[in-house]
Amino acid sequence: QVQLVESGGGVVQPGGSLRLSCAASGFTFSSYGMHWVRQAPGKGLEWAAVISYDGSNKYYPDSVKGRFTISRDNSKNTLYLQMNSLRPEDTAVYYCAKVPSGYVGAFVDYWGQGTLVTVSS
Amino acid sequence: DIVMTQSPATLSVSPGERATLSCRASQSVSSNLAWYQQKPGQAPRLLIYGTSTRATGIPARFSGSGSGTQFTLTISSLQSEDSAVYYCQQYNNWPPHTFGQGTKLEIK
Repeated sequence: QVQLVESGGGVVQPGGSLRLSCAASGFTFSSYGMHWVRQAPGKGLEWAAVISYDGSNKYYPDSVKGRFTISRDNSKNTLYLQMNSLRPEDTAVYYCAKVPSGYVGAFVDYWGQGTLVTVSS
Repeated sequence: DIVMTQSPATLSVSPGERATLSCRASQSVSSNLAWYQQKPGQAPRLLIYGTSTRATGIPARFSGSGSGTQFTLTISSLQSEDSAVYYCQQYNNWPPHTFGQGTKLEIK
């Protein structure tokens, strides 16, 4: 079965950096697009980044563009999110999420359990 | 960017009754609309995609309808385990892949 396990969350000071990882199993990782979706405490879902199956296409919302970088290592079945210049408003649970195709313009069919990032001094 | 607006913010329905949740897009998203369910402390779960196709393992009491800018998630014969927050998401015009703000469904 599909499993997505996030790691790398924690407490970081404003202006700091953090790299999240998502270990994927139970499917052919290299064939599917992947999202990062975040959720601030008590708030709704916010899309944070998406990458195509081969890493050639990446997209971000304006709120993180230029600060966050999504990448993947298909040889390790792992998705990453490099977060720089972190702000208190980036505090959220970050979910790794699978797309049901290699295409980036689709919904999410599986979600990880999330990892909490807290940006605070 | 397309804005997704869900209503109502909170809905309280008795067990066995029907719940109707709405999602409106600021411009047409064709039929490229998904619904997710999120229970407290859990990750979201895909319920419906393509406006009306149930995801694997989703009970038949969940159904979706609509097109263009107006969409509905209907849960017939509510059960206690249906208490959750429900989100819609459009994937027609992206980026961004926008979500609605959610509807909290409470079972009386």
